[in-house]
Amino acid sequence: QVQLVQSGAEVKKPGASVRVSCKASGYTFTTYYFHWVRQAPGQGLEWMGLINPGGAATTYAQKFQGRVTLTRDTSTSTVYLDLSSLTSEDTAVYYCARVASSSSVDKDFEYWGQGTLVTVSS
Amino acid sequence: DIQMTQSPSSLSASVGDRVTINCRASQSISINVNWYQQKPGKAPKLLIILASNLRSGVPSRFSGSGSGTDFTLTISSLQPEDFATYYCQQSYSTPPTFGQGTKVEMK
Repeated sequence: QVQLVQSGAEVKKPGASVRVSCKASGYTFTTYYFHWVRQAPGQGLEWMGLINPGGAATTYAQKFQGRVTLTRDTSTSTVYLDLSSLTSEDTAVYYCARVASSSSVDKDFEYWGQGTLVTVSS
Repeated sequence: DIQMTQSPSSLSASVGDRVTINCRASQSISINVNWYQQKPGKAPKLLIILASNLRSGVPSRFSGSGSGTDFTLTISSLQPEDFATYYCQQSYSTPPTFGQGTKVEMK
């Protein structure tokens, strides 16, 4: 069965960077795109970007351009979100999500990680 | 970016009630709308894709309709486990965007 397991909660100071990992299992890792979505406390869902785990191509939301980097390690079936220059506005739960089909344009988020709370506080 | 606007932002209902949640896109998106259910402290769960296609394992009391700019999620007979927040999402273009959510609370 498909499982996405994310790394644990993080507490960071303003200006710092954070890395969140998402380890996939139960299927062929390189076949399905990953997306990252975040949710600030009590707020809605915000898309951050996507990565093709096969070829490593990425697309980022304009809001995060220059601050976010998505990478993957095929040897461990893990995708990574790196977010830099953190502010209190980045305090949120960060989710990885895998799409439903192998289509490159699929944006149906079928499988989700459990979420990783990133708290930015001085 | 395509804006998705849900209404209402919250509603109170009782077990057995019929519940309807609306979602409007800022431009025509054909039938490219998904619906998610999210419970507190949990990741969203995909319920419906392409406006009306129920995902495997989702109870048949959930249904979706609409095309173009106006979409609806209906729960025909609300069950205790359905109290949650529901989000629409457009899958028409990048970036995918979500509605602000509709919280279904117990009356």
